[in-house]
Amino acid sequence: DAGITQSPRHKVTETGTPVTLRCHQTENHRYMYWYRQDPGHGLRLIHYSYGVKDTDKGEVSDGYSVSRSKTEDFLLTLESATSSQTSVYFCATQGVGNQPQHFGDGTRLSIL
Amino acid sequence: AQTVTQSQPEMSVQEAETVTLSCTYDTSENNYYLFWYKQPPSRQMILVIRQEAYKQQNATENRFSVNFQKAAKSFSLKISDSQLGDTAMYFCAFMKLAGTSGTYKYIFGTGTRLKVLA
Repeated sequence: DAGITQSPRHKVTETGTPVTLRCHQTENHRYMYWYRQDPGHGLRLIHYSYGVKDTDKGEVSDGYSVSRSKTEDFLLTLESATSSQTSVYFCATQGVGNQPQHFGDGTRLSIL
Repeated sequence: AQTVTQSQPEMSVQEAETVTLSCTYDTSENNYYLFWYKQPPSRQMILVIRQEAYKQQNATENRFSVNFQKAAKSFSLKISDSQLGDTAMYFCAFMKLAGTSGTYKYIFGTGTRLKVLA
């Protein structure tokens, strides 16, 4: 949907290792978002970007960092993964104004 | 802070019947947007329907319609002629302009798992 590709689709890693998730979009949307989905919580915003090199924190940003060096790519990094970061991660994009967000297919991340 | 509540964790409905999923929200904003998203087992997030708070008319999309009660801060989703393919998790979402960057942020409810029975 909206040309959003998340990679990898699945990843298993160990506690303490760094992890980077990638979101690539082909729609030239200005706004990009990272969410995590956990049972009983719905989707919660981690970080978002409103332009190249313009990012800000969401409600659950602790332990995560992001970067956006070009319009089409938005990276989410877990510097030192913890088991509490096991989750499904979604990237979303949004065009100008108040249009709905469009979501990628998600990345299932398991931290053992 | 805005909150979105979906009070029905699970529901079931017979095929071809009608079902209503509830959503309430809390906000002091006057301008905002409301959405219903569907998440089937494939994990995709699919937009079902959208409602602008400034519009009094309830939105409809084929078999899907909403009952938007702004004063009561209620936004329920009605699915008519339910089909097996409607089996999914449904999320209610509230969106408003946040800050000066032009960013619109979502607040999601915790979801309602709907099962359509043959």
